[in-house]
Amino acid sequence: ETGVTQTPRHLVMGMTNKKSLKCEQHLGHNAMYWYKQSAKKPLELMFVYNFKEQTENNSVPSRFSPECPNSSHLFLHLHTLQPEDSALYLCASSELSGGDTDTQYFGPGTRLTVL
Amino acid sequence: AQKITQTQPGMFVQEKEAVTLDCTYDTSDQSYGLFWYKQPSSGEMIFLIYQGSYDEQNATEGRYSLNFQKARKSANLVISASQLGDSAMYFCAMKDGRWAGGTSYGKLTFGQGTILTVHP
Repeated sequence: ETGVTQTPRHLVMGMTNKKSLKCEQHLGHNAMYWYKQSAKKPLELMFVYNFKEQTENNSVPSRFSPECPNSSHLFLHLHTLQPEDSALYLCASSELSGGDTDTQYFGPGTRLTVL
Repeated sequence: AQKITQTQPGMFVQEKEAVTLDCTYDTSDQSYGLFWYKQPSSGEMIFLIYQGSYDEQNATEGRYSLNFQKARKSANLVISASQLGDSAMYFCAMKDGRWAGGTSYGKLTFGQGTILTVHP
């Protein structure tokens, strides 16, 4: 595997279900991100992990719970979601070089539908 | 606060011709980075090109070039010799110089996107 991978690619869940999204990066990066992309809205940053430590929580509801066990893996645990949470969830990673670049590389996303 | 504006919801271009996608930004930071990403219908965000605020020359990557006009706060993407595979959504994004624990992690702010359609 190369780049950033995400599983599953598609997920349909009921409002009472518990599920998890998985992201893995094979780029040797040390920062990982979760974004939400809803229809007709710009990408919204949800969480940032820097060397496994959460450095940003962008006012995300507690029904979304991130986990970063190491610099290569990032999870998003979902429980009691609402239909408006249906969206494309994108994971990204970057190398924190201390410079101005820090380009983020994205995975293919998980398309989530909440019934 | 950071803000990115893409005023073209959709653009059409003939195959093999050049097209310019507009992006303007607003920031009070002196140091920032500007990015363009391509998102095909499959959903993956593909990094295309980067321009730093202190770079004096416009960035180029193959058929992509970034027309950076700092005083006007614009960072337009130019795609030369368009191909059918270029049909996609294109996002302009800006990274601020946020630091955490002595390391920049660069929060990206995205524009609304422009849908580009390339006609044969």
